[in-house]
Amino acid sequence: EVQLVESGGGLVKPGGSLRLSCASSEFTFTNAWMSWVRQAPGKGLECVGRIQSAADGGTPDYAVPVKGRFTISRDDSKNTLYLQMNSLKTEDTAIYYCTTYASGYFGDWGQGTLVTVSS
Amino acid sequence: QSALTQPASVSGSPGQSITISCTGTSSDVGSYNFVSWYQQHPGKAPKLMIREVTKRPSGVSNRFSGSKSGNMASLTISGLQAEDEADYYCCSYAGGTTLLFGGGTKLTVL
Repeated sequence: EVQLVESGGGLVKPGGSLRLSCASSEFTFTNAWMSWVRQAPGKGLECVGRIQSAADGGTPDYAVPVKGRFTISRDDSKNTLYLQMNSLKTEDTAIYYCTTYASGYFGDWGQGTLVTVSS
Repeated sequence: QSALTQPASVSGSPGQSITISCTGTSSDVGSYNFVSWYQQHPGKAPKLMIREVTKRPSGVSNRFSGSKSGNMASLTISGLQAEDEADYYCCSYAGGTTLLFGGGTKLTVL
C-alpha cells in the first residue's frame, strides 16, 4: 500500500515562506507523477500543481493562483516531494495534500498538513 | 475556467440508490474521458472512488459506478449504506495542465 506522509505545515505571516515535504514509501516513487492538492477550511479541493516523473521530463506545472509563488520539486533519491511556498497570502490557508497523479486522477493521498497564513 | 457544478447536497435512505451529477462544458467533461470521483469523510483525506469516468480502483465497492453523457458526469451509489455518508467531489481534465474540481456534494444517509 502506498504511504504518503506530509510535513512542514504551520502558522506563517502574510508574505512569508514555508516548505512542505511529502515522504513516500511502498511504491516506485521515481516512476510516479506527483501532485499537491489543497483544501481551504470548509471549502472544496483545488489542484495546486503537478510534477512529472524524471523519465517523462520532470517538469512541474502550477495552477494560476500560485504560479510564480510556489515551486514543486522532487528528490527521487529520498523518495520525497516538496512544495516551496513563497509570498504567502491569507487565501493560501488550507490543508495541503500530497498525491500520486496519473491519467487525470489523483490516486493515493497523504493525510495532509495544515498551512495557516495569518498575521 | 470555472469549477464543475455539483448539487450541494443529496440524500437517500439505506438500501436506496442515489446519483450525484457533475456538470462541466465541452472544454472539459465533454471533451475528455478523464473524470474522477472522490469520497471524503469529515477530517479525513479524500479517497479515489472512480477514475476515467467508469473505472473502479481495486478495493472500491462495486456499489459505486460512474458514467458520462455529453458535458455531464454522474456518480451512482446503489444499496446505500450509513458509511457512504460523506462529501463527494468530481474532477475533470480540461486540457493542457488544467484539472477542475466540482464544488462538492454532501451525501446524507437518512
